[in-house]
Amino acid sequence: KNEVEQSPQNLTAQEGEFITINCSYSVGISALHWLQQHPGGGIVSLFMLSSGKKKHGRLIATINIQEKHSSLHITASHPRDSAVYICAGSSNTGNQFYFGTGTSLTVIP
Amino acid sequence: NAGVTQTPKFQVLKTGQSMTLQCAQDMNHEYMSWYRQDPGMGLRLIHYSVGAGITDQGEVPNGYNVSRSTTEDFPLRLLSAAPSQTSVYFCASSYGIGTGVGYTFGSGTRLTVV
Repeated sequence: KNEVEQSPQNLTAQEGEFITINCSYSVGISALHWLQQHPGGGIVSLFMLSSGKKKHGRLIATINIQEKHSSLHITASHPRDSAVYICAGSSNTGNQFYFGTGTSLTVIP
Repeated sequence: NAGVTQTPKFQVLKTGQSMTLQCAQDMNHEYMSWYRQDPGMGLRLIHYSVGAGITDQGEVPNGYNVSRSTTEDFPLRLLSAAPSQTSVYFCASSYGIGTGVGYTFGSGTRLTVV
């Protein structure tokens, strides 16, 4: 069983739709990361949060520490949002990094 | 340009050969780390460093060595390559652990061991 579980594994949406990707974790972490990996393979860090909510453009990330759950929301989705989104938890010493296996998102024009 | 630079982008090795994957960052980040990404398994932490002269093992350290002689550089060495080390390798850096600032990833090295 993975320490970090993401759902769904695959997601197809129409352009303009509101998208939610969920992440649940079963271990103690000090921070929760959302990463974006494009088809070319490069990885971009979208958010790193330990509580509450963060927003950047059309992306919103929330975390509920008590429930050990985080969500990534994309508003007004666009084909350029098509990518794999990875959730990860890290310890406060940096020696533990737990990755989900990713959610593959395809946004259709 | 500020960021994390990884070289080479692609490499093919024969079993038993050694090589070094280079990683350099110019953001004065203290924390640097190496990951491998395999199909169906996601990313896994190999080694990490919290500052110059300090390194430690992650989840899958066997077969890999690292050193951190400067803040900027964090090379990953494969001493005797094995087919099981065929993977995509990513280096990442961060200003500090738990600072709320995210990680910057390199563009990756695709390694094939035959």
